[in-house]
Amino acid sequence: EPEVTQTPSHQVTQMGQEVILRCVPISNHLYFYWYRQILGQKVEFLVSFYNNEISEKSEIFDDQFSVERPDGSNFTLKIRSTKLEDSAMYFCASTHGVATEAFFGQGTRLTVV
Amino acid sequence: RKEVEQDPGPFNVPEGATVAFNCTYSNSASQSFFWYRQDCRKEPKLLMSVYSSGNEDGRFTAQLNRASQYISLLIRDSKLSDSATYLCVVIPTNTGNQFYFGTGTSLTVIP
Repeated sequence: EPEVTQTPSHQVTQMGQEVILRCVPISNHLYFYWYRQILGQKVEFLVSFYNNEISEKSEIFDDQFSVERPDGSNFTLKIRSTKLEDSAMYFCASTHGVATEAFFGQGTRLTVV
Repeated sequence: RKEVEQDPGPFNVPEGATVAFNCTYSNSASQSFFWYRQDCRKEPKLLMSVYSSGNEDGRFTAQLNRASQYISLLIRDSKLSDSATYLCVVIPTNTGNQFYFGTGTSLTVIP
């Protein structure tokens, strides 16, 4: 069964450092997303991406965040200068179309120290 | 007002019990609805989509009430493996793609 894969599964970084989280969406999906979940809280939308550009973003997705699809398979989330409050589980997801079921990767646990 | 609201529980039920969860949403124009299941520290996994006419998948039944703006999930004959957090997910419009998650309802099925 096709699946979304994310690497690394766990990343520890020092405050102020840049991190890049990587995702390989399902191959025939067209829409890609990043969500995050702070421990004990709900899943929150960060950004959606379609046709090589951002289609929607939330207030959380400020200038410290960026996304890229550098090639035909990878979809990355970069946090330029990490803060302690960026510590969370980051999930990548993809959908085939608009408003269809989303499939999530297993997540990257980011710990900022 | 929150886009999606759920009772966080926890619900603790014996094996074999029937349990129901409700979720309310604020945007009356919402078009797409889902139930996801999330195990501790894992990713959300699609349990089922929710259709206007209601739908059933084995022991699970989902219903949508547009007039009252809520969706429900019924689990019959609960199994130990049903223990998880159940997430209500709504897409507010049929043009947007942002999934709004509820906080989740925690279910523990007890032997």
